Amino acid sequence: DTEVTQTPKHLVMGMTNKKSLKCEQHMGHRAMYWYKQKAKKPPELMFVYSYEKLSINESVPSRFSPECPNSSLLNLHLHALQPEDSALYLCASSLAPGLAEQFFGPGTRLTVL
Amino acid sequence: AQSVTQLDSQVPVFEEAPVELRCNYSSSVSVYLFWYVQYPNQGLQLLLKYLSGSTLVESINGFEAEFNKSQTSFHLRKPSVHISDTAEYFCAVSETRNNFNKFYFGSGTKLNVKP
Repeated sequence: DTEVTQTPKHLVMGMTNKKSLKCEQHMGHRAMYWYKQKAKKPPELMFVYSYEKLSINESVPSRFSPECPNSSLLNLHLHALQPEDSALYLCASSLAPGLAEQFFGPGTRLTVL
Repeated sequence: AQSVTQLDSQVPVFEEAPVELRCNYSSSVSVYLFWYVQYPNQGLQLLLKYLSGSTLVESINGFEAEFNKSQTSFHLRKPSVHISDTAEYFCAVSETRNNFNKFYFGSGTKLNVKP
């Protein structure tokens, strides 16, 4: 298995909802990442997990809560989001935090009403 | 921190014509270079990468890029484009700091191939 999968592909939620995004890889990678991509913009790093521990939080609002329950799985819990949080959320992984190449998933298109 | 510049936000080109998408970065200390392609409503796909060795790298679908350390550039080229190459192309630089590799993305170049 040489890919990163993300579910759901699309998500529409209200500002009072709680939802979660899921990312999975079975390549034995020990670093996993969440990115946010607005339309016509490059991806922006949100969080980095290294060996299942949160290593980097790029000053992301607390309404986004990441979780890494095991080395293959990365979640992003969403609560009380704002319409401006609508974006494509990309997950990526790399073999180790210090190794360069990142493999990206197809993304979850999130719309907040 | 690195900065990555893709000067051309859009590049229109006719099918079968050659194309060059430009990418410059700010520092060449321990960097790795990538080009990713993004088709509409999809994630990022790795097109090619430079980690070490030969400064000219090629992809399976005819793209190539050359790492030029003196000019801190990693321009992407294809001698003859197809309609299916229409997509957004992102240049990325990975820099190692504190045992962690951080990606810095350029702002993207939209390649529009016309028939």
